[in-house]
Amino acid sequence: KQEVTQIPAALSVPEGENLVLNCSFTDSAIYNLQWFRQDPGKGLTSLLLIQSSQREQTSGRLNASLDKSSGRSTLYIAASQPGDSATYLCAVSRSNDYKLSFGAGTTVTVRA
Amino acid sequence: GAVVSQHPSWVICKSGTSVKIECRSLDFQATTMFWYRQFPKQSLMLMATSNEGSKATYEQGVEKDKFLINHASLTLSTLTVTSAHPEDSSFYICSAENGPYGYTFGSGTRLTVV
Repeated sequence: KQEVTQIPAALSVPEGENLVLNCSFTDSAIYNLQWFRQDPGKGLTSLLLIQSSQREQTSGRLNASLDKSSGRSTLYIAASQPGDSATYLCAVSRSNDYKLSFGAGTTVTVRA
Repeated sequence: GAVVSQHPSWVICKSGTSVKIECRSLDFQATTMFWYRQFPKQSLMLMATSNEGSKATYEQGVEKDKFLINHASLTLSTLTVTSAHPEDSSFYICSAENGPYGYTFGSGTRLTVV
């Protein structure tokens, strides 16, 4: 069974600081890995999708890396803003049935 | 981009009644949709996989007679919580697999059973 762990569980930083969110998974046989953002009481917004053959993806201030062999992904958010405050979820899909396994998330607070 | 519309966004119902939640893919066809449940401050738990034109596949521990799933078309899946009880109160989210774009999620439904 795939286990996905996100560290830290919560993070509070002053505005302008860079954010580093970590995700680890136990089974390297993944199809892809996706990072999501969830605001309180809302659904999930996809941030970045990394296919298993890729090592990183970038979108604006966001950059996500994937090291499949070691079972790790890192989401970097540059120059954080108060609007970045949310819970960030990492999810991996299995190669055989594409079902997603989620981490518990990292709740980020960016202080103005 | 791909959009999944989920309705209602919130619902309050009396214990013993049934509630239907709809999930629609607006600009793409989804042969497979997924239903999740999320408890406060916890991550998403996959409940079932909804397949267009066939029976849903339920995860271990999820009662298929309580959580009825219908996927009658390539753009619509519904989850019906039957004979709801207070312990069914939760946040339910659907998602659809959208090829190279990964998974697109609905906005979620907050169910409160009183």
